[in-house]
Amino acid sequence: DAGITQSPRHKVTETGTPVTLRCHQTENHRYMYWYRQDPGHGLRLIHYSYGVKDTDKGEVSDGYSVSRSKTEDFLLTLESATSSQTSVYFCATWSAAYSNQPQHFGDGTRLSIL
Amino acid sequence: TQLLEQSPQFLSIQEGENLTVYCNSSSVFSSLQWYRQEPGEGPVLLVTVVTGGEVKKLKRLTFQFGDARKDSSLHITAAQPGDTGLYLCAGATTQGGSEKLVFGKGTKLTVNP
Repeated sequence: DAGITQSPRHKVTETGTPVTLRCHQTENHRYMYWYRQDPGHGLRLIHYSYGVKDTDKGEVSDGYSVSRSKTEDFLLTLESATSSQTSVYFCATWSAAYSNQPQHFGDGTRLSIL
Repeated sequence: TQLLEQSPQFLSIQEGENLTVYCNSSSVFSSLQWYRQEPGEGPVLLVTVVTGGEVKKLKRLTFQFGDARKDSSLHITAAQPGDTGLYLCAGATTQGGSEKLVFGKGTKLTVNP
């Protein structure tokens, strides 16, 4: 399994504050993804990266930015957190974005915006 | 936007019963993956089906990919409490030159002893 570590695992913060979530992988997978998971919505793609400094938007990217300065690290930033961004966030990696390969997921970050 | 409609959203059954989860779309996918997720953890791949009409079996779980590669099903025979969890289907599709996974909303399965 790809070693994927998300930090922090839990965070509570206030509306309007900046928040950064980190995803670290040890498997040298090229592709990395940030999803949010909400009841009734399943997993929705926020942003993804197809290489160092190469990123693109997913279906729910508003209010989020990402950066990837190294292969192993993918950061998700909420510039000014809102209550609608309360969610569980998952990072995933994909070795080669081939449809017969699995995505590997971290254990998630539970983020609460008060 | 490609959508995967997964049903049912919730399923509560008794141990020993059979069940089927469906994943349907109007779009064609290059493959269909099924994941299982436990509370507090990320999804873990169960199986990938690639060819239209393909059937794969994992012990008591049977996965089928529709002939037109637009739909899939997961059938569990003689469900056990250990099968409890969230089951997610995901279709692989190419958008903007990159391949992505589109996830269904999930089926939360509870198997009661």
